[in-house]
Amino acid sequence: GEDVEQSLFLSVREGDSSVINCTYTDSSSTYLYWYKQEPGAGLQLLTYIFSNMDMKQDQRLTVLLNKKDKHLSLRIADTQTGDSAIYFCAESMGGYQKVTFGTGTKLQVIP
Amino acid sequence: EAQVTQNPRYLITVTGKKLTVTCSQNMNHEYMSWYRQDPGLGLRQIYYSMNVEVTDKGDVPEGYKVSRKEKRNFPLILESPSPNQTSLYFCASSSSRTGAQETQYFGPGTRLLVL
Repeated sequence: GEDVEQSLFLSVREGDSSVINCTYTDSSSTYLYWYKQEPGAGLQLLTYIFSNMDMKQDQRLTVLLNKKDKHLSLRIADTQTGDSAIYFCAESMGGYQKVTFGTGTKLQVIP
Repeated sequence: EAQVTQNPRYLITVTGKKLTVTCSQNMNHEYMSWYRQDPGLGLRQIYYSMNVEVTDKGDVPEGYKVSRKEKRNFPLILESPSPNQTSLYFCASSSSRTGAQETQYFGPGTRLLVL
C-alpha cells in the first residue's frame, strides 16, 4: 500500500531557512500536499503541487518535487516563531480520491 | 464565516456504548471525510463522501459507520466503541473543481477516550 514518510523533528533558529523532507511510495500520486497543524488546532492546507511540476513557490514557501526519487520537500524562508507547528506531507491521486498523510514533522523555531 | 464544526469536542465513554460525532460544514462542499490522528501514525482516513448518499471506505474503516443524508452533515458513528478507537478525530470538507482539494477545510477535532 501507499506509504508516506517524514522525519519526526526539526529545530531551526529564527530567521534561518527550514527544509522539511518527505518520501512517498505511490508512483501514481497526482497531487502532493503540505499541511500545517498548530497546537490544539486542525490542519491547514499550506500548498500543493501537481506531479508534473518540479517546483512551486508561494511567498516564503517553496515546494520541490523529485518524482524520480519520490521525494518532496518544503522550504520555509526566514522562519519565524509562528511557523512552529507540525507539518504533514500528503499524497493523493486527485479529485475525490483518498488522501494519505505522513506521520508529521514537528518544527521547533528557536528565538 | 466558512467553517467546519464538530461536536462534541471532547468525549469520554465506555466500551460498547454507541456514540455519534457530528460534522457540519456551511460551504456547500461536495466532498467530506473523516480522519483519525494517532501519535506516530499521522492522519489516517476513515471514510469519505463525494456527495449526498455517496460514501466510501478510507484506510481504517473497521468499527466505524458514516452517513450522508444531507450535503452539509457527515456524522461518524461508532456502534460499539473499543479502547483502540481512543484518538483525535478530524472532519474535513472541500469543493475541488480542479481535483487538488485546494480549498480543503478541517474541523477543530474531537478528542475521544474509550474506557
